Amino acid sequence: QVQLQESGPGLVKPSQTLSLTCTVSGGSISSGDFYWSWIRQPPGKGLEWIGYIYYRVSTYYNPSLESRPTISIDTSKNQFSLKLNSVTAADTAVYYCARVSLTGRHNWFDPWGQGTLVTVSS
Amino acid sequence: DIQMTQSPSSLSASVGDRVTITCRAGQSISTYLNWYQQKPGKAPKVLIYAASSLQSGVPSRFSGSGSGTDFTLTISSLQPEDFATYHCQQSYSTPLTFGGGTKVEIK
Repeated sequence: QVQLQESGPGLVKPSQTLSLTCTVSGGSISSGDFYWSWIRQPPGKGLEWIGYIYYRVSTYYNPSLESRPTISIDTSKNQFSLKLNSVTAADTAVYYCARVSLTGRHNWFDPWGQGTLVTVSS
Repeated sequence: DIQMTQSPSSLSASVGDRVTITCRAGQSISTYLNWYQQKPGKAPKVLIYAASSLQSGVPSRFSGSGSGTDFTLTISSLQPEDFATYHCQQSYSTPLTFGGGTKVEIK
């Protein structure tokens, strides 16, 4: 059974870069059968899709984040990562990593990591 | 971007009640609609994908329907463990977008 776990600093200063890693266990990240995604949820608010990566070949990002995010894969460690630069207080959120399951053209997020709270503050 | 609107934003219900949550898309999305359940302090969990397909392991009291712009999630008989927030999400096109959530509370 695939499990995902986020890790990274819980506090980031404004204007700096937020860096998070998602470690995948119970399955290979390089199988090519799935996309791998990041989603965030500001405290008390709804969910926002950040982007996803497909086996280092393709990446797709939410335009609302204005070219700030970068998602990459490290197959040797079975991990994928998120970097979000030039952060502000508005980037304070619980960040989730998730696998994107596929059937035909349909896709959905399953499973999810437990989430990690990142606070942007000086 | 495709806007997803859920209603109601919250509701109160009793154990055993039939509960219906609605999600409306800003444009036709065929059946590219997923439903998630989120409990406080936990990650969301998929219940329904492709509008009406029940995820493996999810109780059969959950069902989804709809196509085009209007979708519903129905809980046929609300159980104590179903008190949570429910989110819809469209997978028709990027950027992928979520509804604002519906919080189901105990009456």
